[in-house]
Amino acid sequence: QQPVQSPQAVILREGEDAVINCSSSKALYSVHWYRQKHGEAPVFLMILLKGGEQKGHDKISASFNEKKQQSSLYLTASQLSYSGTYFCGTESPGNQFYFGTGTSLTVIP
Amino acid sequence: EADIYQTPRYLVIGTGKKITLECSQTMGHDKMYWYQQDPGMELHLIHYSYGVNSTEKGDLSSESTVSRIRTEHFPLTLESARPSHTSQYLCASSDPKTGGVYGYTFGSGTRLTVV
Repeated sequence: QQPVQSPQAVILREGEDAVINCSSSKALYSVHWYRQKHGEAPVFLMILLKGGEQKGHDKISASFNEKKQQSSLYLTASQLSYSGTYFCGTESPGNQFYFGTGTSLTVIP
Repeated sequence: EADIYQTPRYLVIGTGKKITLECSQTMGHDKMYWYQQDPGMELHLIHYSYGVNSTEKGDLSSESTVSRIRTEHFPLTLESARPSHTSQYLCASSDPKTGGVYGYTFGSGTRLTVV
């Protein structure tokens, strides 16, 4: 039931790009993305409500493939401030909501 | 700035003690949640509520209880603390009236250590 994220961890240099994937075994109504910095609470980044939807702000964007029950988060030209653990959250029929397994992202100078 | 508040921020207690973790939000959100999270790890749902007098169990609910007497307040009680309860506890809320488009808002968490 819990969506699986890949990769589990990634290390980037400033300016590099990264993709984080979130896969569910269940049909999805929506996908959330959150970032959690060390020692802090998760912070909401964005929600995708429709299959095929793509959304983004600044250099962080996401897509939602409803048929494949997947979502991807794209970080372009990464900055040091992007470091943290990224969680997807998926809502399925019956209002079941689960957070993903998490992806640790570290950006180094 | 967070509109959901958790107290205490840190707590160290002895085994067998009864404790209540407080959570309050000022946003008028109907839905509230409690999650348990070890550092850097996944979030596990303990309890949730759809509104006043509504409480539901999550995956880790067996050793705790919650109440929702007022919209803004959602305390979590551990009847008898054990070392295995050592973890971070996060409270969150969301507004179903907006279709969830603003996601979950989390409190700063309570770091609990049971000795």
